Amino acid sequence: KAGVTQTPRYLIKTRGQQVTLSCSPISGHRSVSWYQQTPGQGLQFLFEYFSETQRNKGNFPGRFSGRQFSNSRSEMNVSTLELGDSALYLCASSPRRGLAGSSYEQYFGPGTRLTVT
Amino acid sequence: GQNIDQPTEMTATEGAIVQINCTYQTSGFNGLFWYQQHAGEAPTFLSYNVLDGLEEKGRFSSFLSRSKGYSYLLLKELQMKDSASYLCAVSTGNTPLVFGKGTRLSVIA
Repeated sequence: KAGVTQTPRYLIKTRGQQVTLSCSPISGHRSVSWYQQTPGQGLQFLFEYFSETQRNKGNFPGRFSGRQFSNSRSEMNVSTLELGDSALYLCASSPRRGLAGSSYEQYFGPGTRLTVT
Repeated sequence: GQNIDQPTEMTATEGAIVQINCTYQTSGFNGLFWYQQHAGEAPTFLSYNVLDGLEEKGRFSSFLSRSKGYSYLLLKELQMKDSASYLCAVSTGNTPLVFGKGTRLSVIA
């Protein structure tokens, strides 16, 4: 079974531009979550999608948005890029969504390394 | 709020045993995960604890005490390839995973 794939792997943008990152989950996985990883803050949750609906959102400004398609593939968009948005953006998929009293394992993709200059 | 603490860095000798601690204070608890992340790579799943006690998987073991908000990851017979960051993460039910900032382990000869 193919793992989680993310494209592109590396990206360089300038301040003020916008960027779209793509994530294809493991076949059969319906939950996709996005995380931002920086050396100072570690891994921080951005949002989670399940069945094309955003289920949870982390504490990030509205410049960060995402969506999920019917085939479970997901995209995230960052508008009006700032220098502080430079980070590794990780996508993770799971076969099911966590419910109260249960939990689930997430499988991470290799990430997209975004550099904003 | 959500708070997960783990040491920033640790160093251990090849062949030795190392214990990486994690304490957490979260609103809700659905389980605790440990992930390994080599530099430049994606995190990979190591272990999962939802009940108190020790879970053993080969050279790796993970312990959980829910009443104390405490977990540790035990690595035995350390190998050079174990040099990596180890991430403690809690599933709260509100977000998929809340991560600590990770412990960078260096294994030396």
